[in-house]
Amino acid sequence: KNEVEQSPQNLTAQEGEFITINCSYSVGISALHWLQQHPGGGIVSLFMLSSGKKKHGRLIATINIQEKHSSLHITASHPRDSAVYICAVDMRFGAGTRLTVKP
Amino acid sequence: NAGVTQTPKFQVLKTGQSMTLQCAQDMNHNSMYWYRQDPGMGLRLIYYSASEGTTDKGEVPNGYNVSRLNKREFSLRLESAAPSQTSVYFCASSVVDRSGETQYFGPGTRLLVL
Repeated sequence: KNEVEQSPQNLTAQEGEFITINCSYSVGISALHWLQQHPGGGIVSLFMLSSGKKKHGRLIATINIQEKHSSLHITASHPRDSAVYICAVDMRFGAGTRLTVKP
Repeated sequence: NAGVTQTPKFQVLKTGQSMTLQCAQDMNHNSMYWYRQDPGMGLRLIYYSASEGTTDKGEVPNGYNVSRLNKREFSLRLESAAPSQTSVYFCASSVVDRSGETQYFGPGTRLLVL
């Protein structure tokens, strides 16, 4: 069993839809990261969370330490949000969720 | 600032050949990392360096060596490449501030071992 599990593996949405990507982990945690990998391969850090909730623009990340679970939400999704979203916990990475947003 | 740079972008090797992947950052970060990314799997940590002069093994260090040449540069060496080392390699550096640790990734090196 992977120490960091993401769901779903693949997600297709229509433009404007609300998106939720989930991450569950079994390792001890000092911080959880959400990353975005663009179709060209580049990786960008979106959030670092150790508790609660963070918001950047249309992206919201939440974490529940007791349940060892985090969610990444995208409001009013847009085709440019199409990417692979990766959850990482203390240098252990999930396999990623491939999001495709159709116009 | 160029951020994190990696060379080469793409390399083809024959089994048994050696090569060094170069990584440099111009953000004055203490910590640097090497990861590999394989289809269907998450990024896996090969080695990391918490500061100049120190290196530590990650999850999958076998078949690799690293050198933290100075604060800017962190190289990954394959002494005798194997087809199982075909992968995309990412270098990253990180900084810790009030909001926590943020990692910055290089563009990746795509390696094919025949």
